[in-house]
Amino acid sequence: NAGVTQTPKFQVLKTGQSMTLQCAQDMNHEYMSWYRQDPGMGLRLIHYSVGAGITDQGEVPNGYNVSRSTTEDFPLRLLSAAPSQTSVYFCASRPSRRDRASYEQYFGPGTRLTVT
Amino acid sequence: AQKVTQAQTEISVVEKEDVTLDCVYETRDTTYYLFWYKQPPSGELVFLIRRNSFDEQNEISGRYSWNFQKSTSSFNFTITASQVVDSAVYFCALNPILTGGGNKLTFGTGTQLKVEL
Repeated sequence: NAGVTQTPKFQVLKTGQSMTLQCAQDMNHEYMSWYRQDPGMGLRLIHYSVGAGITDQGEVPNGYNVSRSTTEDFPLRLLSAAPSQTSVYFCASRPSRRDRASYEQYFGPGTRLTVT
Repeated sequence: AQKVTQAQTEISVVEKEDVTLDCVYETRDTTYYLFWYKQPPSGELVFLIRRNSFDEQNEISGRYSWNFQKSTSSFNFTITASQVVDSAVYFCALNPILTGGGNKLTFGTGTQLKVEL
């Protein structure tokens, strides 16, 4: 298994540009999430999904959109990038509650985004 | 609301010293999980341990040990005989099951550990 994969690894955007951060997992996990990591603030939840077609907001959802059309993929869209969205973005997944170890989240390698 | 406090922003030790990283959490959930993750300079997040709220047994894994005390809402992490390879940022995280459905990890701000020769 490749686990959780994220593309791209690095990205530079100009203010106002749009882009999609890709996240995929091959472990058939039901739950997927996006976090951002900023210096001195730890990781904060942006959006999450409990299954295909179902998404919900986390702690810092403004400026981001998500959709979940398949179990494997959970893209994060920035419609109009702002310098405040400069951050490292992590995607995570975990199995359903039926799995005994379900509450461990598996993290991708991260995407470092800079908005100028 | 959930909260995780890692009061130690940065700790520097000399190799072979023992070091304890503190983690204090707040939650009204009676069912929750606590985690520790390691983030080395390469940037990935490495899972270290998961502990549920009903299991207060301390755990030891090699040079790593964890002390979970519900009475003080703490989940501290000790590295024995530290090594340079332990240099990283360490995050404590809380996952409330009842209010968060197990989907909302709350992270502390992290502790930067530097182990020097």
